[in-house]
Amino acid sequence: QVQLQQSGPGLVKPSETLSLTCTVSGGSIRSYYWNWFRQPPGKGLEWIGYIHYNGNTDYNPSLKSRVTTSVDTSKNQFSLKLSAVTAADTAVYYCAKWEGSIEAPDIWGQGTVVTVSS
Amino acid sequence: EIVLTQSPGTLSLSPGERATLSCRASQSVRSTYLVWYQQKPGQAPRLLIYGASSRATGIPDRFSGSGSGTDFTLTISRLEPEDSAVYYCQQYGGHRSSSLTFGGGTKVVIK
Repeated sequence: QVQLQQSGPGLVKPSETLSLTCTVSGGSIRSYYWNWFRQPPGKGLEWIGYIHYNGNTDYNPSLKSRVTTSVDTSKNQFSLKLSAVTAADTAVYYCAKWEGSIEAPDIWGQGTVVTVSS
Repeated sequence: EIVLTQSPGTLSLSPGERATLSCRASQSVRSTYLVWYQQKPGQAPRLLIYGASSRATGIPDRFSGSGSGTDFTLTISRLEPEDSAVYYCQQYGGHRSSSLTFGGGTKVVIK
């Protein structure tokens, strides 16, 4: 059973870059698409984008200019970078595995609370 | 962008009652790509229904999904106290579509 463990700083200064990592255990990172989502305090869910180990990506058009994702197959990890953050980027960030057989994200990380503040 | 509108915003029902949650799309959604989640406070979303009507692994059969095109429904046939949560629908436009959106959620409160 695949499990996801998120890591990264909980506080980022305005205009800086948010960086998060998701470590995959119990399965190969080569086998799936890997997604990022976020949820501002008290609000709904927003998709950020996905990446495959072969380099295929797709991003939410509203965030695309600031998002970079990557996969490190040697560490079974994938990462998110969001540049030029503002207070509006304060949210719980989630990584998730996309299960191709059901076309849905079926396994989620525990979530990382990221606050943008000086 | 496909906008998903969920109703009602809040549903307050007693244990054993039936809950009917609606998700309407601004344009047609392929059933293959319509998903429902349950989210409890402080937790990540939990996949309930995929493909509009298929239950995810481990989901009790009191949860069911239906619908097609622009109108989808999540039904909880016999509410239990642990079903108190926010429920979200989500659509996906397919690979490379850059289109994955969520509804605003329906909060289910068990009296």
